[in-house]
Amino acid sequence: DAKTTQPPSMDCAEGRAANLPCNHSTISGNEYVYWYRQIHSQGPQYIIHGLKNNETNEMASLIITEDRKSSTLILPHATLRDTAVYYCIVRVARLGEFQGAQKLVFGQGTRLTINP
Amino acid sequence: NAGVMQNPRHLVRRRGQEARLRCSPMKGHSHVYWYRQLPEEGLKFMVYLQKENIIDESGMPKERFSAEFPKEGPSILRIQQVVRGDSAAYFCASSPLGRSRSYNEQFFGPGTRLTVL
Repeated sequence: DAKTTQPPSMDCAEGRAANLPCNHSTISGNEYVYWYRQIHSQGPQYIIHGLKNNETNEMASLIITEDRKSSTLILPHATLRDTAVYYCIVRVARLGEFQGAQKLVFGQGTRLTINP
Repeated sequence: NAGVMQNPRHLVRRRGQEARLRCSPMKGHSHVYWYRQLPEEGLKFMVYLQKENIIDESGMPKERFSAEFPKEGPSILRIQQVVRGDSAAYFCASSPLGRSRSYNEQFFGPGTRLTVL
């Protein structure tokens, strides 16, 4: 799996957009970018993933640069509940058609603190 | 639609005892993954199982640890002769088989916090 680089911590004011960067300069053509978060000791929560196009869902937006060497997770209107460690992970989608999703290799992530 | 269930949520064992951690995947999911999170550290993959098969155990310690996912019942992570260094949060995740909207995702349970005295 390609390695990712994230800032160890970030702060953001409540109600503002939180932009979390991730560098993955060695990403391969068949590797996706995934984002998970872990809210204080809970199990990690899937947020979003993408291959090369920008993606948006009810939780966040994912912006992937054209060369795919970096990406940004955007939480458009951060709330206090978004305080968590955010993990950027790159990996191939599946091991095979009838096999499960590939294991996740977590780095240290970014500790995002939303301030009132 | 119940999520991934793990029990117990908290487990206390004395050194040398055995610990059994259970994981029931989401309905319709046939793939289970176990991860460990040591205090103040990130999550580390341990093992990936399908029903009655271990697919990838590259993250499992060589001794004392074993995992199974029987045809019927939950997946079990078993730690024999626990030591203080086994104290950690153990998370289970599951993913569905086949092509569905969420087939690339892993859904995590709330974890079991093991404390070894």
